[in-house]
Amino acid sequence: DTAVSQTPKYLVTQMGNDKSIKCEQNLGHDTMYWYKQDSKKFLKIMFSYNNKELIINETVPNRFSPKSPDKAHLNLHINSLELGDSAVYFCASSQGRTSFVETQYFGPGTRLLVL
Amino acid sequence: AQKITQTQPGMFVQEKEAVTLDCTYDTSDPSYGLFWYKQPSSGEMIFLIYQGSYDQQNATEGRYSLNFQKARKSANLVISASQLGDSAMYFCAMREGWTGNQFYFGTGTSLTVIP
Repeated sequence: DTAVSQTPKYLVTQMGNDKSIKCEQNLGHDTMYWYKQDSKKFLKIMFSYNNKELIINETVPNRFSPKSPDKAHLNLHINSLELGDSAVYFCASSQGRTSFVETQYFGPGTRLLVL
Repeated sequence: AQKITQTQPGMFVQEKEAVTLDCTYDTSDPSYGLFWYKQPSSGEMIFLIYQGSYDQQNATEGRYSLNFQKARKSANLVISASQLGDSAMYFCAMREGWTGNQFYFGTGTSLTVIP
């Protein structure tokens, strides 16, 4: 059973297009995250939701919009894709926001290439 | 100031030898957790080991151990008996406090195991 899953795994698209990445976790966790990993492997937090409530909203272009229909799902929609959006996008989840002992588990990543 | 610092961009180790990957952290919160993740070339982020700030003993998980030196604010990962499959990027991360939702990641260390 996959704990945190993402679709699609690969996404190749043209500049200016709109695309979505879906994430689902079956761990029963309350908190989900989106990260961007650039070509230098640096991991940058983008968003975090706790029980469908947005709790972290880092400085990212407003072309990026997260949506959490329920606590098991967190989707990322990207409008007007740009070359600089090419990266690996990771979804992750953790039990909740009440303890520093909670581990974060990652999805397999979505490799986005904007041409 | 950086919350997590990994000063070794790249490391090499001979197969079957032990290797230490450095991680220092910065926090004024007495409650925090430290995590190590492995990212092989296939791209997924794999949770390896956790150390809590109140833990009296260093964490161990199989061949992985965490050399936790609280006064020095360091949480080095020790991999014993290195295997070729240990070649990967390794990330140190921290989560602060009872309500802190943010996970802070270091820039990673690329480990290459030489046969």
